[in-house]
Amino acid sequence: QVTLRESGPALVKPTQTLTLTCTLSGLSLTIDEMCVSWIRQSPGKALEWLARIDWDNDKYYSASLKTRLTISKDTSKNLVVLTMTNMDPADTATYYCARMRFGLYYFDYWGQGTLVTVSS
Amino acid sequence: QSALTQPPSASGSPGQSVTISCTGTSSDVGGYNYVSWYQQHPGKAPKVIIYEVSKRPSGVPDRFSGSKSGNTASLTVSGLQAEDDGDYYCSSHSPGNKLVFGGGTKLTVL
Repeated sequence: QVTLRESGPALVKPTQTLTLTCTLSGLSLTIDEMCVSWIRQSPGKALEWLARIDWDNDKYYSASLKTRLTISKDTSKNLVVLTMTNMDPADTATYYCARMRFGLYYFDYWGQGTLVTVSS
Repeated sequence: QSALTQPPSASGSPGQSVTISCTGTSSDVGGYNYVSWYQQHPGKAPKVIIYEVSKRPSGVPDRFSGSKSGNTASLTVSGLQAEDDGDYYCSSHSPGNKLVFGGGTKLTVL
């Protein structure tokens, strides 16, 4: 059974750095064509793609958030980490991680999402 | 990259058909056959219902179909059922191995 589970703080203060973890079960980050993305959704708003990391460690970022995002992976723990710096109340959202197979460009497995609120 | 353009809402009665459009540019929707559609119910993660413009994952009813013409992709839901009520998002591959989503369409089954 394939599962992705996001974890991280539910509340962060403005200007702080957010660190989110996506733990995968039933799928290995080391297999060819394995890609994991982070996607967020502000309350009542649309989905927004943030970043992606591939099995070969290639990384891609949203142009509008590139300067604030870092995506990385720990293959020994089978997890993907997203850090976002200089958090703002506008970054309040549910953050999802999702799996994509390289070359197919759609997400077949999603985590349940984790709500992050940015407030002082 | 700018979000793809979807109508904010759509509706239909049970048994009817409804089509949702998704308009991008020649750099995303028009440039690749990598348009996908997701269904999202309140409080749930999105679920893929169409990928590569018109392919359905296993388990998705054939009431859902997709197509594309130029820079606009479309999702058609035929034989509307109550459980089709929800939000629908398109997405497209875009240059630089990035991805862009649409603004979402709230489908109401009357």
